[in-house]
Amino acid sequence: GEDVEQSLFLSVREGDSSVINCTYTDSSSTYLYWYKQEPGAGLQLLTYIFSNMDMKQDQRLTVLLNKKDKHLSLRIADTQTGDSAIYFCAESTNAGNMLTFGGGTRLMVKP
Amino acid sequence: SQTIHQWPATLVQPVGSPLSLECTVEGTSNPNLYWYRQAAGRGLQLLFYSVGIGQISSEVPQNLSASRPQDRQFILSSKKLLLSDSGFYLCAWSVQGQTNFGPGTRLTVT
Repeated sequence: GEDVEQSLFLSVREGDSSVINCTYTDSSSTYLYWYKQEPGAGLQLLTYIFSNMDMKQDQRLTVLLNKKDKHLSLRIADTQTGDSAIYFCAESTNAGNMLTFGGGTRLMVKP
Repeated sequence: SQTIHQWPATLVQPVGSPLSLECTVEGTSNPNLYWYRQAAGRGLQLLFYSVGIGQISSEVPQNLSASRPQDRQFILSSKKLLLSDSGFYLCAWSVQGQTNFGPGTRLTVT
């Protein structure tokens, strides 16, 4: 079955860039997503990328997709303390848009 | 704009008691609807999804059931809760490739 893997933890200093990585196994993945979850809250869709794209930039966020290696990354420029949260990578095919999630990466931003 | 509501926000229930969590969506028609569960410190697991009224698919065998009595209403139920049912339950809807989540219900079974 499908599998999505992320590292558990990332710590950066305020103002630095953060790079959160994700790998997936399903070669038929069509959509790849990044969600942010703050403590005790639901999931907020940050950005997504179609599988026919290599890169997508949205303000401080840059998503890079290496389809050959099935590797997805999220870069947050000028990381702020408000960016501290758990970041989930997810993928879906066209079939009903069901998402398969990674286990989440906890980002800690030190002042 | 589309919004999704879940209630209650938190719930503490004893083992063996019934459960009913409700989710409603506004501002969209005929969405795909989902129930996900997040166990403590872990990722999300898809429990149920629905492509229309009365159409429910289950992804994992479990102690829970789901129903969709109306186009924009999705209900998660159990007749008898187990300790292992504790977790954060998230309702979601999707249209055209984007999935958006509700605020979640934190369920603690004691």
